[in-house]
Amino acid sequence: KQEVTQIPAALSVPEGENLVLNCSFTDSAIYNLQWFRQDPGKGLTSLLLIQSSQREQTSGRLNASLDKSSGRSTLYIAASQPGDSATYLCAVRGSGTYKYIFGTGTRLKVLA
Amino acid sequence: DGGITQSPKYLFRKEGQNVTLSCEQNLNHDAMYWYRQDPGQGLRLIYYSHIVNDFQKGDIAEGYSVSREKKESFPLTVTSAQKNPTAFYLCASSSGASRWGTGGYEQYFGPGTRLTVT
Repeated sequence: KQEVTQIPAALSVPEGENLVLNCSFTDSAIYNLQWFRQDPGKGLTSLLLIQSSQREQTSGRLNASLDKSSGRSTLYIAASQPGDSATYLCAVRGSGTYKYIFGTGTRLKVLA
Repeated sequence: DGGITQSPKYLFRKEGQNVTLSCEQNLNHDAMYWYRQDPGQGLRLIYYSHIVNDFQKGDIAEGYSVSREKKESFPLTVTSAQKNPTAFYLCASSSGASRWGTGGYEQYFGPGTRLTVT
């Protein structure tokens, strides 16, 4: 059964710092991996999606990498800003299924 | 603007009553999903549908029911059999065509409905 873990659960950094969020999954037979942002009391906003055949994906200050063999993905945020403060979640879709399994998220606070 | 709408934003019900949460999308997506989110926990899948008139149970389907009579609509009913219905409910949809290329199946989410049962 696929399990998705995100470490750390919470992170606090000064503005301007580059940071890395981690996502681990137990079953490497995935179709894709998606990173989301969630603000308090709101729905999820899609940030990046990496298909199983890709190694990385970039959007603005965000870069996500995928290493299927080791069951890991990282989300790199460059030059963090207070507006980046939110909870970041990763989700994995398994091969041959429409189901997505979510991690519990990393709560990020960027201090001005 | 294309997107997913959920209504209402807040819902209050008495214990023992059934309640239906609305989810509508105009993205022309084939697949739709219902998730439940509790404090400190990740999203848990309740039901999903990858095509009209067909749906599958997720990991926590007990006490919930759905229908998928139209491509754009996927309502969720929380029945009185659900033991702990108070939660934040999120609807999502996806399709094979996305900004990340063919077969991307990027999930898009609605704003959520917060249900409180007392």
